[in-house]
Amino acid sequence: AQSVAQPEDQVNVAEGNPLTVKCTYSVSGNPYLFWYVQYPNRGLQFLLKYITGDNLVKGSYGFEAEFNKSQTSFHLKKPSALVSDSALYFCATLNSGGYQKVTFGTGTKLQVIP
Amino acid sequence: EPEVTQTPSHQVTQMGQEVILRCVPISNHLYFYWYRQILGQKVEFLVSFYNNEISEKSEIFDDQFSVERPDGSNFTLKIRSTKLEDSAMYFCASSDGPARETQYFGPGTRLLVL
Repeated sequence: AQSVAQPEDQVNVAEGNPLTVKCTYSVSGNPYLFWYVQYPNRGLQFLLKYITGDNLVKGSYGFEAEFNKSQTSFHLKKPSALVSDSALYFCATLNSGGYQKVTFGTGTKLQVIP
Repeated sequence: EPEVTQTPSHQVTQMGQEVILRCVPISNHLYFYWYRQILGQKVEFLVSFYNNEISEKSEIFDDQFSVERPDGSNFTLKIRSTKLEDSAMYFCASSDGPARETQYFGPGTRLLVL
């Protein structure tokens, strides 16, 4: 079965510092990996995805993610955190074949401290 | 930018009552999904829908659940006889293709069953 794991429930980072939110995956076949963000009282917003190609994927709001096949990881990164980045971040994988349900990780709460 | 919308944002109902959650997917999308997130838990897939029929459903999606696209714009989730454990945030999503396509999520409906 496809799965993703987010080992950290919460990540705290000072404003202006680089941030990393970790994700590892376990999939059969080619991994299709996503990051979504959930702001308070809002829905899940798509940030970026990896399907194939370059291992470094750039997305919305200055976020990027690095696909690492040998470590089966897809960590979300941003060079300089903003207070407004504080939210809940979900790593996800899209099951290949069929009509593709998305399988989410447990989420990581990012707190950017002013 | 096109968005998935959902109504109502919040719904409170009595156990045993029927509820209908409504979604308007992005207009040119053909694939529709429902997910739910019980408080403090993962976002879980419920059902996918294409060409006026269910493509895939999870074990959560039992006989008390049904989905429908009653017209060209709405996509609904009906829970026939709500249970306390149906209390959750319900997310609708849509995509414009089945294969490797990003699913875009609505803001969710928070359902509370008393």
